[in-house]
Amino acid sequence: DIQMTQSPSSLSASVGDRVTITCRASQSITRYLNWYQQKPGKAPKLLIYAASSLQSGVPSRFSGRGSGTDFTLTISSLQPEDFATYYCQQSYSSASWTFGQGTKVEIK
Amino acid sequence: EVQLVESGGGLVQPGGSLRLSCAASGFTFSSYWMTWVRQAPGKGLEWVANIKQDGSEKYYVDSVKGRFTISRDNAKNSLYLQMNSLRAEDTAVYYCARVARDIVATRVDYWGQGTLVTVSS
Repeated sequence: DIQMTQSPSSLSASVGDRVTITCRASQSITRYLNWYQQKPGKAPKLLIYAASSLQSGVPSRFSGRGSGTDFTLTISSLQPEDFATYYCQQSYSSASWTFGQGTKVEIK
Repeated sequence: EVQLVESGGGLVQPGGSLRLSCAASGFTFSSYWMTWVRQAPGKGLEWVANIKQDGSEKYYVDSVKGRFTISRDNAKNSLYLQMNSLRAEDTAVYYCARVARDIVATRVDYWGQGTLVTVSS
């Protein structure tokens, strides 16, 4: 099975900061990498798919990069509504998906 | 508007069974793969199972193989998860979700609100 490792597991940042979260796959997943945002008590929300494609309606301050095994999610200027937990997910094979363990973004 | 509404969660004893349902609307249900994803209290997301549009392909995470069965009724626009031999570690919020697939990507683009399953004596 493909393992997904996110880092850091949590971070503290201020409004306006640039934030980058990293996700590493245990083997190549080409660009089958998605990013989700989840707020407490709510369902996850798709932000980025295929490593770098912005989901419709998602602000352009969110961006994704990477291919193969190393990926990043960047928030260019953190906004109050961005404080949440972020998950990467590999969808390389429909027979087995895995999520990263999550990165909690907190207010400094 | 795409809507996914789960039901069927609740409290069940270890070893018991439960059947979750998900009512879909606002899209052509029979055209999409569907998935179940769960989240234990205070923990991260865990993929549970996927099912193809016509039900001909089904995949499960190892921890539920042989105990859970994903199914669908395209005539009723409904997705199901039959859960047998439940364990304490199956306690979680279970999300029904739609899978968007194209040449370059496979992703979960719509989620239900989730239904809580608690396995406890």
